[in-house]
Amino acid sequence: GNSVTQMEGPVTLSEEAFLTINCTYTATGYPSLFWYVQYPGEGLQLLLKATKADDKGSNKGFEATYRKETTSFHLEKGSVQVSDSAVYFCALSDRGNYGGSQGNLIFGKGTKLSVKP
Amino acid sequence: DGGITQSPKYLFRKEGQNVTLSCEQNLNHDAMYWYRQDPGQGLRLIYYSQIVNDFQKGDIAEGYSVSREKKESFPLTVTSAQKNPTAFYLCASSPEQGYGYTFGSGTRLTVV
Repeated sequence: GNSVTQMEGPVTLSEEAFLTINCTYTATGYPSLFWYVQYPGEGLQLLLKATKADDKGSNKGFEATYRKETTSFHLEKGSVQVSDSAVYFCALSDRGNYGGSQGNLIFGKGTKLSVKP
Repeated sequence: DGGITQSPKYLFRKEGQNVTLSCEQNLNHDAMYWYRQDPGQGLRLIYYSQIVNDFQKGDIAEGYSVSREKKESFPLTVTSAQKNPTAFYLCASSPEQGYGYTFGSGTRLTVV
């Protein structure tokens, strides 16, 4: 079945450090890939997405490239800020398999990021 | 502005009582979802609905019930049969199955 695996946290960085959060996936079709962010006490917000191989999603300085050959969608940011402290979720949607539960988004377990000043 | 609204933000329930969590969206989305989030466990799907008057069980439906009488509304009832209901509940919607979701801000349910 489809699945998403994220690196376990928590990840603690100093302000202005480089961030990578690894995400790999298993899917039978041609999934769309997403990164969501959750700030404390809030719901999830879509951060970026990519719908086909080699697409790069980007938003607010974050980037992720859809790598079909390595089945990965790693999240990166060149210089993190304290305000980036949150939980980050990688997700996939296998829209090639409509019907039943296979078309729903599947989420990784989340990676908590703490950025210290 | 279009969005998805969950209410209340905090909810306290006595053991043995049913409680209903509200989820309303004005995005004209067909699909709606309920997730449960526990510390360190990510999101677990409770129920989802792809169209009005139809819904499907997710991975942890036992002890929960839903209805989808209107496109805009997808309320979740946590019944007394749910043994460990204390959690953060998230509602989401999408234009159709497989697209990115828009999430509400969540309801934190505590059993006292």
